[in-house]
Amino acid sequence: RKEVEQDPGPFNVPEGATVAFNCTYSNSASQSFFWYRQDCRKEPKLLMSVYSSGNEDGRFTAQLNRASQYISLLIRDSKLSDSATYLCVVNMLSAGGTSYGKLTFGQGTILTVHP
Amino acid sequence: DADVTQTPRNRITKTGKRIMLECSQTKGHDRMYWYRQDPGLGLQLIYYSFDVKDINKGEISDGYSVSRQAQAKFSLSLESAIPNQTALYFCATSDFSVFPGTGYRTGELFFGEGSRLTVL
Repeated sequence: RKEVEQDPGPFNVPEGATVAFNCTYSNSASQSFFWYRQDCRKEPKLLMSVYSSGNEDGRFTAQLNRASQYISLLIRDSKLSDSATYLCVVNMLSAGGTSYGKLTFGQGTILTVHP
Repeated sequence: DADVTQTPRNRITKTGKRIMLECSQTKGHDRMYWYRQDPGLGLQLIYYSFDVKDINKGEISDGYSVSRQAQAKFSLSLESAIPNQTALYFCATSDFSVFPGTGYRTGELFFGEGSRLTVL
């Protein structure tokens, strides 16, 4: 089982639609969670961090379910500009010392929003 | 100017050649990373460095080496390139948070624009 798994899609939705992506992670010691956005042939950029029970930023809502070990990203009122690949990233907190918290990426979910 | 700069942006080379990808940053971060991205596989960590004296292997370090020449510079080398190293390579930097009693948490990653390498 992959450490971080996402439905690769693609998701094709019309403008104005609501779309949700899920991401599951295998390591229960994982401590922090992120959604990154990657446009075609570009570098990934942070979209949202998810630290506790979830948070909202405008049309975007991220949720965390520790018991079931998954996080989700909800996009409301989709825009053409939301078309991108959405990467789920999980950070396992390291125990002291100088070792870093391992960042593990999912394979990404492709979203296409059409007129 | 970009905070994280990678050179070259595109490179085509032949099997067996030595290739170096360079990364420089103006973020002032101590932590730097090299990732590789293949279609459908997400990003895989090759090497990471916490400071100029600390370099660590990631998930897929075989066939790669790195050098941290300064806080701002982190280069990736392919000593003898092979076709399955054809990929998009990203350099990234980050800061980190310290949580007393529980450890360190890596902060937001800032990526360079990527270096597309093709090995024929």
